[in-house]
Amino acid sequence: DTAVSQTPKYLVTQMGNDKSIKCEQNLGHDTMYWYKQDSKKFLKIMFSYNNKELIINETVPNRFSPKSPDKAHLNLHINSLELGDSAVYFCASSQAHRAGQPQHFGDGTRLSIL
Amino acid sequence: AQTVTQSQPEMSVQEAETVTLSCTYDTSESDYYLFWYKQPPSRQMILVIRQEAYKQQNATENRFSVNFQKAAKSFSLKISDSQLGDAAMYFCACATSGTYKYIFGTGTRLKVLA
Repeated sequence: DTAVSQTPKYLVTQMGNDKSIKCEQNLGHDTMYWYKQDSKKFLKIMFSYNNKELIINETVPNRFSPKSPDKAHLNLHINSLELGDSAVYFCASSQAHRAGQPQHFGDGTRLSIL
Repeated sequence: AQTVTQSQPEMSVQEAETVTLSCTYDTSESDYYLFWYKQPPSRQMILVIRQEAYKQQNATENRFSVNFQKAAKSFSLKISDSQLGDAAMYFCACATSGTYKYIFGTGTRLKVLA
């Protein structure tokens, strides 16, 4: 059973389009996250939600909008895609919103903007 | 501000030998946690080991152990009896109780030579 699953695994699209990435966790965790990993493998947090409430919102363009319909799901919608959005996006979850909690990651979604 | 530095972009080790990956961090907080994650070519981020800053004892997980030097703000990962499956990118991360965010280093690519 996949603990944290993201769809799609690959997303190729044109500049200016709008796309969504879905994430679901079946671990019963309270907290979920979105990370961006750039071409140099640098991994940076974008958002975190705890029980559907936004906790962390890093300096991310407004074109990125996370949505958490329930605590098992955290989706990421991106408007007006730009070349610089090309990256691997990882969803993760942790049992609670505490620093010591290990995070469980999905397999990532590779977004390529043409 | 919190920073994590991995000064070795790439390391190589012979199969069955031991290798140490370096990580230094900086934080002004006293309550924090340190992690090593592994990212194989499959892209998934896998937790290798976790260390609480308040614990003096170094964490170990089978062939993986850390050398935690709190005063020096150093957190190196030792992999004993290296196996081909250990080949991956290794990321060091720090999370503080103040921000709850994981701050990742830039990663070290480990090659295991047969």
